Amino acid sequence: KNEVEQSPQNLTAREGEFITINCSYSVGISALHWLQQHPGGGIVSLFMLSSGKKKHGRLIATINIQEKHSSLHITASHPRDSAVYICAARETSGSRLTFGEGTQLTVNP
Amino acid sequence: NAGVTQTPKFQVLKTGQSMTLQCAQDMNHNSMYWYRQDPGMGLRLIYYSASEGTTDKGEVPNGYNVSRLNKREFSLRLESAAPSQTSVYFCASNQGQRLYGYTFGSGTRLTVV
Repeated sequence: KNEVEQSPQNLTAREGEFITINCSYSVGISALHWLQQHPGGGIVSLFMLSSGKKKHGRLIATINIQEKHSSLHITASHPRDSAVYICAARETSGSRLTFGEGTQLTVNP
Repeated sequence: NAGVTQTPKFQVLKTGQSMTLQCAQDMNHNSMYWYRQDPGMGLRLIYYSASEGTTDKGEVPNGYNVSRLNKREFSLRLESAAPSQTSVYFCASNQGQRLYGYTFGSGTRLTVV
């Protein structure tokens, strides 16, 4: 069992739909990261959370420390949101990240 | 532009050949990391350097060596490449403290034939 699990693995949506990607982790963490990887391969950091909720444009990330669960939401999705979204947990014991396998999101016009 | 620069972007090696992947960051970050990304698996840590002068093994260090040449540069060396090392390699850096984000390089796609 992976220490960081994401669901779903693949997600197809229509433009304008509200999207949720989930992340569960089993380790104690100091922070939870959401990353975006575009088809070209580059990885961009979207959010880093240690509690509560953060919002950036149409993206919202939440975390529930007690339940060891985080969600990434995309409102009014657009084809340019198509990418792989990766959840990564930074363990309390150090600076290393443990990554989920990623969620492939495809938003169709 | 500030960030993490990786070279080369693509490389094809024959089994047994050696090569070094270069990584440099200009953000004055303390910590640097090398990951590999394989289909169906999350990014896995190969080696990391928490600060200049130190290096430590990650999850999958076998077949690799690293050098933290100075605060800016962290190189990954494959001494004798094997087909199992075909992967996409990412370098990343961060301040090394708990609530700081990470910056990733654009990746190196390596094929070993």
